[in-house]
Amino acid sequence: ETGVTQSPTHLIKTRGQQVTLRCSSQSGHNTVSWYQQALGQGPQFIFQYYREEENGRGNFPPRFSGLQFPNYSSELNVNALELDDSALYLCASSLGQVETQYFGPGTRLLVL
Amino acid sequence: DQQVKQNSPSLSVQEGRISILNCDYTNSMFDYFLWYKKYPAEGPTFLISISSIKDKNEDGRFTVFLNKSAKHLSLHIVPSQPGDSAVYFCLRGSTLGRLYFGRGTQLTVWP
Repeated sequence: ETGVTQSPTHLIKTRGQQVTLRCSSQSGHNTVSWYQQALGQGPQFIFQYYREEENGRGNFPPRFSGLQFPNYSSELNVNALELDDSALYLCASSLGQVETQYFGPGTRLLVL
Repeated sequence: DQQVKQNSPSLSVQEGRISILNCDYTNSMFDYFLWYKKYPAEGPTFLISISSIKDKNEDGRFTVFLNKSAKHLSLHIVPSQPGDSAVYFCLRGSTLGRLYFGRGTQLTVWP
């Protein structure tokens, strides 16, 4: 059974650019949640997708958007990157909205 | 709004001894709490959870205690092993499926 995978592992962008991060959920999981972990902080909830629909959003601006595909993989898009967007972005999948979440290793984004 | 607070950024314990990691919460309306641990370059992994109707939940060497009057929970690891060295996150879970993380406590277990 393949766990949650994320790509890329690292990337560097400059202010104002756009970025797309990808997440493949664990087999059989229909729910994907995204989190942002800034340095020295705990992960912060960005949003959750359940069966291709957004199912709740944290305190993040609209330039953070996402998608979930029919195979339940997901993308996180961030437009107009700011320096404070530099963080580890974690994706987690689960069998349902309130089931145990299984995390990928994360994508480390650096905005210069 | 920080739902859960971990006030100790680090804890160092000798192998074989008990590790006690603490967490305080501010909101009385909660569904359940969880502990996750995280090794470097890996995502957080689920460790143990406790629902609001319980005071204690045990799983092998790991026990979580919930003190509702003090709005406090703790994770006990007995006996501690060097492989337990990791960052431990206290989380609140909600019926919406969102997880609210604390800042984490770095546990170091030395031989």
